[in-house]
Order: sequence, then structure tokens, then C-alpha cells
Amino acid sequence: DVKVTQSSRYLVKRTGEKVFLECVQDMDHENMFWYRQDPGLGLRLIYFSYDVKMKEKGDIPEGYSVSREKKERFSLILESASTNQTSMYLCASVSGPDYRTGELFFGEGSRLTVL
Amino acid sequence: DAKTTQPPSMDCAEGRAANLPCNHSTISGNEYVYWYRQIHSQGPQYIIHGLKNNETNEMASLIITEDRKSSTLILPHATLRDTAVYYCIVRGTMEYGNKLVFGAGTILRVKS
Repeated sequence: DVKVTQSSRYLVKRTGEKVFLECVQDMDHENMFWYRQDPGLGLRLIYFSYDVKMKEKGDIPEGYSVSREKKERFSLILESASTNQTSMYLCASVSGPDYRTGELFFGEGSRLTVL
Repeated sequence: DAKTTQPPSMDCAEGRAANLPCNHSTISGNEYVYWYRQIHSQGPQYIIHGLKNNETNEMASLIITEDRKSSTLILPHATLRDTAVYYCIVRGTMEYGNKLVFGAGTILRVKS
């Protein structure tokens, strides 16, 4: 019954490494999102995509990029990981284009530690 | 920027109703109010949503004020398993640039 799957639950990387976080959904949703979650700050939106090859910046896109080559897959890329990117990363998807009423499904999260 | 404000934390006695407030004073006419909760180490889960009428489902009730500037999530008989972070967000359509932004949420602690 898995709907949104994130490739890695826990990752440990070194400063300067390139990091890929993968997210796959099996619900044929148009819209996908990447958030990061830090204590006391809630969920902050990094990037979102409303269609294949389409992407929009969220509130904190600096230091991140994304890729949406296929509808079911939305990847978050850290070109050169830094210690301040140590966080929990959450992927989500929802049907669209009018996604006011569709349920937003989240993955279980990927906890990234950058040393 | 988050379009909602919530108290950072609340306590509730087990078996009592938990009433979680949310202020969304800048909500526009086509935006829905949604509530999610996140239990430690899991992704957020949907609870309930509404536009302007009060809503009830098996998990909770949602009371939206007549001017739609605030709402309250009610867990009628809170249990220890309801201890979580509760998020209130407003959702509109893509053409209004809605980004599904979450605020910091309310930490609800249910105590025995």
C-alpha cells in the first residue's frame, strides 16, 4: 500500500559530496514537492514540480536543484553538500492541476547527515 | 511564507477534547483549510479539510469561522497516540501560486 517512496531513510555524506535524494509516487500525480524539516522550523518548501520537466522554486531553494524527467519520479540534488544541509527531507505528491481538494501524500522522509 | 499561525504547543488530558486553533486571516475565497499531523519520525498524514462549512470525519472535526479567518481542529477524545505536531495550511490553485507552505505547527502533548 506504499504510495510515496523515498529511496533512502538515512544517509551520511561528507562536505562537498554530491547527494541525490529520490522520490517515487505510484498515484500518477502531477504535483510533487520537496520539503526539509528542522526542529522548531516546521516544513519548509525547497522546490516543487507541477508537471514533467517543470519546476518552481520554493522558499529555500539555495544549494539545491531538482529533476523531474518522469512523472512518477522527483529527485532532489545537493550539488555540494554542506553541514547546514543536515536535515530531514520529505517528499510529497498530490493530484492536480486544481489540487485544492486532493489528499497530499508524504513519504517517510530521508534523514541526511553531512559531516 | 506560511499563511497560517498556530500556537507552538498545547497540552491536553487523555480522554478530553483537544481544540487546536489556527489563524488564517489572509485566506482567499478559493482556498481550502487543511489539517495534517506528524507523529515522530513519520511523514505528515492528512486529517481533515474544509472550505467554509464545518466538517467531521472519523478522526476529527473542523470548525471554520464564518469570516473564514480562523479555524479549530477538534479531537473529541484525545488519546496518548494523538501526541504529535499538527499543521494547519491553506491550499489554493496553481494559478494563484500556491506552494503548499507549512508553518511550524502546534506540538500537542496528550497526558494521562
